[in-house]
Amino acid sequence: GAGVSQTPSNKVTEKGKYVELRCDPISGHTALYWYRQSLGQGPEFLIYFQGTGAADDSGLPNDRFFAVRPEGSVSTLKIQRTERGDSAVYLCASSKGVGTEAFFGQGTRLTVV
Amino acid sequence: AQSVTQPDIHITVSEGASLELRCNYSYGATPYLFWYVQSPGQGLQLLLKYFSGDTLVQGIKGFEAEFKRSQSSFNLRKPSVHWSDAAEYFCAVGSNTGFQKLVFGTGTRLLVSP
Repeated sequence: GAGVSQTPSNKVTEKGKYVELRCDPISGHTALYWYRQSLGQGPEFLIYFQGTGAADDSGLPNDRFFAVRPEGSVSTLKIQRTERGDSAVYLCASSKGVGTEAFFGQGTRLTVV
Repeated sequence: AQSVTQPDIHITVSEGASLELRCNYSYGATPYLFWYVQSPGQGLQLLLKYFSGDTLVQGIKGFEAEFKRSQSSFNLRKPSVHWSDAAEYFCAVGSNTGFQKLVFGTGTRLLVSP
């Protein structure tokens, strides 16, 4: 596609439920990044993939958060037992590789009620 | 640990006036520095980046930024602001490997008055 695509654009879920957020990177981009942006804050790094493997997952806040990229393209961010504090905009970005510009999607706004 | 401070939460500038957005960083080695812009309903867009070399870097949309190691600053400037520049601006610092694991500041919201 022309840019990084994230679905859904908005997600409302009840506390305790499981959610999946999807990211379709730019075709051919090997690196993929997830960030979380809370209200009034800058984006906060969650995890970075190079190909299929998570090269750095040090930003995942706890074991309720998990991300996969099984074929080195589409990635899914999975959140178990959602909490109200998980409410934020989840941003995905991709790049051709390290050291090259990362292009961001428009994000998924997650609201936990 | 890396950190970024953007001391101004909001700035209002008259259309046609000059603009400077402040950014201070903390990083133990030579930083990789970035400015991004986020418009409502849009994703983050890279304005410019500094990796090495000339400390004055030119970006898109007429923006420039100057890296000052002695002041740990990377301020964003534009000589003449247009109404379409109204947006949220984020400064970010990365490690010496590039774009992964960026640390962002809290952002500065730019308002442009007629």
